[in-house]
Amino acid sequence: AQRVTQPEKLLSVFKGAPVELKCNYSYSGSPELFWYVQYSRQRLQLLLRHISRESIKGFTADLNKGETSFHLKKPFAQEEDSAMYYCALLSNTGKLIFGQGTTLQVKP
Amino acid sequence: DTAVSQTPKYLVTQMGNDKSIKCEQNLGHDTMYWYKQDSKKFLKIMFSYNNKELIINETVPNRFSPKSPDKAHLNLHINSLELGDSAVYFCASSQDRTPSHTGELFFGEGSRLTVL
Repeated sequence: AQRVTQPEKLLSVFKGAPVELKCNYSYSGSPELFWYVQYSRQRLQLLLRHISRESIKGFTADLNKGETSFHLKKPFAQEEDSAMYYCALLSNTGKLIFGQGTTLQVKP
Repeated sequence: DTAVSQTPKYLVTQMGNDKSIKCEQNLGHDTMYWYKQDSKKFLKIMFSYNNKELIINETVPNRFSPKSPDKAHLNLHINSLELGDSAVYFCASSQDRTPSHTGELFFGEGSRLTVL
């Protein structure tokens, strides 16, 4: 079964602390993975995709095929990073499958 | 300039009623989707249409009927509403038939449906 799991519903950190939002996937073959973000009162939007190996707003995510993980990391959290984060997997039928989402709360 | 717009944003109705949510995109995309976000924030695909053709139809009760009059519009009609239908419904679009390598879906703001 193709599946995405985000084990943490809520992650609360202080400003300046490192952040790691966990994502594990189940997929046979080479996965295409993404992180989406929804800031308060804004639309859900693409944050980054693993294939681009990009860093957006200081966030990076590395695909680890051995651990079937795609964790989202940032070395120093900012208050404006507070949002809902979704990990997503492109299925072999072309569907974008989302995880359950993790709310990141960055405290001052 | 709104890219994907949904109406209404909020909808409160009684069990048993029939309601519709409309979605329009002005991005020139070929594919549109409906996603349901439940009370636990779990986001699950319901349908997708490519150029007015249904291409994804998840296990959704047949009380839910999507309609795409043209590729810029995808409406969701729900018959005989039940309490469990209460959720936020998101419309989205993508340029290609599937999100493909870009993985980019453009989402609307969501329509919060409350069934009493």
